Amino acid sequence: AQKVTQAQTEISVVEKEDVTLDCVYETRDTTYYLFWYKQPPSGELVFLIRRNSFDEQNEISGRYSWNFQKSTSSFNFTITASQVVDSAVYFCALSEAGYSTLTFGKGTMLLVSP
Amino acid sequence: KAGVTQTPRYLIKTRGQQVTLSCSPISGHRSVSWYQQTPGQGLQFLFEYFSETQRNKGNFPGRFSGRQFSNSRSEMNVSTLELGDSALYLCASSLDGSGAQPQHFGDGTRLSIL
Repeated sequence: AQKVTQAQTEISVVEKEDVTLDCVYETRDTTYYLFWYKQPPSGELVFLIRRNSFDEQNEISGRYSWNFQKSTSSFNFTITASQVVDSAVYFCALSEAGYSTLTFGKGTMLLVSP
Repeated sequence: KAGVTQTPRYLIKTRGQQVTLSCSPISGHRSVSWYQQTPGQGLQFLFEYFSETQRNKGNFPGRFSGRQFSNSRSEMNVSTLELGDSALYLCASSLDGSGAQPQHFGDGTRLSIL
């Protein structure tokens, strides 16, 4: 069975601080996909990034960066110089090859104050 | 390109009633999945449809059902509503349902049971 753990329930930071959201996953599959989604108060889940199990390259997109480490089954997400607009719930998710079913973590609520 | 559209946005029902929620996927997307989001259980997978066939189903009672039409639009139905069915119901579409392609979510239908 697949499982995604986001141990941080809520994180509060002040604007311009860097923040890292942790994600640990469990799966028996050798081919799988990892995702991060952002859920602002409006409720829509916004896709941020996808990583497949064979690609351990870290990725940077503007202020966002992701660190994928198969050895520790982790896929962490860092926001550099956080902004108030980053306040949202962030979900890490996992799917196995051939199925679009996502297994989500419980989410981490990020509060960025001015 | 229009995103995933869910209707209605809000719904209030009473116990014992039934409800039908609608989802129009992104044009060209053939896979539609449904998720239930509650504060206690988080995001849980309900079912996935691809080319009008249910390919996968989550651990929900038979009161929850769905279907997909030839134009990929999908509906989910909940019969004999219970208080615990109060939740945000999210629909997501992906290009091919392979797991490799990200799922894109709609704004959701917030269902309240009185």
